[in-house]
Amino acid sequence: AQKVTQAQTEISVVEKEDVTLDCVYETRDTTYYLFWYKQPPSGELVFLIRRNSFDEQNEISGRYSWNFQKSTSSFNFTITASQVVDSAVYFCALSEARPGNQFYFGTGTSLTVIP
Amino acid sequence: KAGVTQTPRYLIKTRGQQVTLSCSPISGHRSVSWYQQTPGQGLQFLFEYFSETQRNKGNFPGRFSGRQFSNSRSEMNVSTLELGDSALYLCASSLALTGGSYNEQFFGPGTRLTVL
Repeated sequence: AQKVTQAQTEISVVEKEDVTLDCVYETRDTTYYLFWYKQPPSGELVFLIRRNSFDEQNEISGRYSWNFQKSTSSFNFTITASQVVDSAVYFCALSEARPGNQFYFGTGTSLTVIP
Repeated sequence: KAGVTQTPRYLIKTRGQQVTLSCSPISGHRSVSWYQQTPGQGLQFLFEYFSETQRNKGNFPGRFSGRQFSNSRSEMNVSTLELGDSALYLCASSLALTGGSYNEQFFGPGTRLTVL
């Protein structure tokens, strides 16, 4: 069965602090893809990153970084030096390599950055 | 390039009515997926269309249906509306060049449906 767990429901940090959002996934497939999306108050989901199961390299994009560890089935997301504009709900998602494009989303982590 | 567009953005209906939501994918994208987002259930997959064919369907009753046109635009229909159908309905498009699921999905702003 496929499942994505985001145990942190809500997180509040003060501006400029670093924050890590946790994501744990379950799948029986050996080929799969992991994603992070941001949902600001406007409601539109914004794509942040895709990772395939064969690529465990960590990735950094500006203040954002992602840590993918197959051994612990985790795909964590860190925001460095958080800003007020980072306030949003963040979703982790899993997709398996089969036709139909079904994404399994976690329940999301609501991040509030306090100025 | 224009993003995914959804119309209407807001809808208010009463129980028992039916509703049709529309989605225009990013130009060149052939896969369109629909999701229902509610505070209690989160984001749940409804169905996916690729080249006018439904390839996958989530665990929703038959009142929820959809279709895709030759220009990749998609519609979803909900008949006999229930209070529990109140939700944000999100449409997503992807390239899906080889039919696989790895292409990232790009989401539209959603249609907020309220059932009274």
